Amino acid sequence: DTAVSQTPKYLVTQMGNDKSIKCEQNLGHDTMYWYKQDSKKFLKIMFSYNNKELIINETVPNRFSPKSPDKAHLNLHINSLELGDSAVYFCASSQVPVNYGYTFGSGTRLTVV
Amino acid sequence: KQEVTQIPAALSVPEGENLVLNCSFTDSAIYNLQWFRQDPGKGLTSLLLIQSSQREQTSGRLNASLDKSSGRSTLYIAASQPGDSATYLCAVEIIQGAQKLVFGQGTRLTINP
Repeated sequence: DTAVSQTPKYLVTQMGNDKSIKCEQNLGHDTMYWYKQDSKKFLKIMFSYNNKELIINETVPNRFSPKSPDKAHLNLHINSLELGDSAVYFCASSQVPVNYGYTFGSGTRLTVV
Repeated sequence: KQEVTQIPAALSVPEGENLVLNCSFTDSAIYNLQWFRQDPGKGLTSLLLIQSSQREQTSGRLNASLDKSSGRSTLYIAASQPGDSATYLCAVEIIQGAQKLVFGQGTRLTINP
């Protein structure tokens, strides 16, 4: 199946821990994104990578560090997790210039306790 | 700064009705507009993509229109079914250094059997 896949689907962890979320796309897209959906269901961009290069960093705390080993993968590492980091994190991909829209993964629900 | 507003925030209608969801955006300089569907606890499913040069797109019982000059889009759902119950998200693609989606907060739609 052609898709954007994220792992894990659910992540429950204690404050202060470090965790990673992985994302892979097999659509051949050259741009990947991380979006955060908060408790009010509002989706906002965090990062964008084009062909392994960071393009957008939307004033996200530097505890969040994206890493793109190749254009098909974009992982999100979070250090020193805080309660406020609890949210659903979505990975997405697109082809620039975009004529066919964005494809989103199924999301990772992060709960910090 | 681009802002996207969706009205109404929630809508409940009986099965079989035709309905319209509204989306407005503050800056007409958009690249594309994309409508998504999100089921509870799930990811985003792309419904329709309207490029900035287009005025509407249709897929099955769904029709989306775009009026860039007035900053508006509508999603028309014909002959609604209980399976249409979900949150519908409108997103505009803009270029601020790089391309990204700016989302509205969604319309939560409930179709009653």
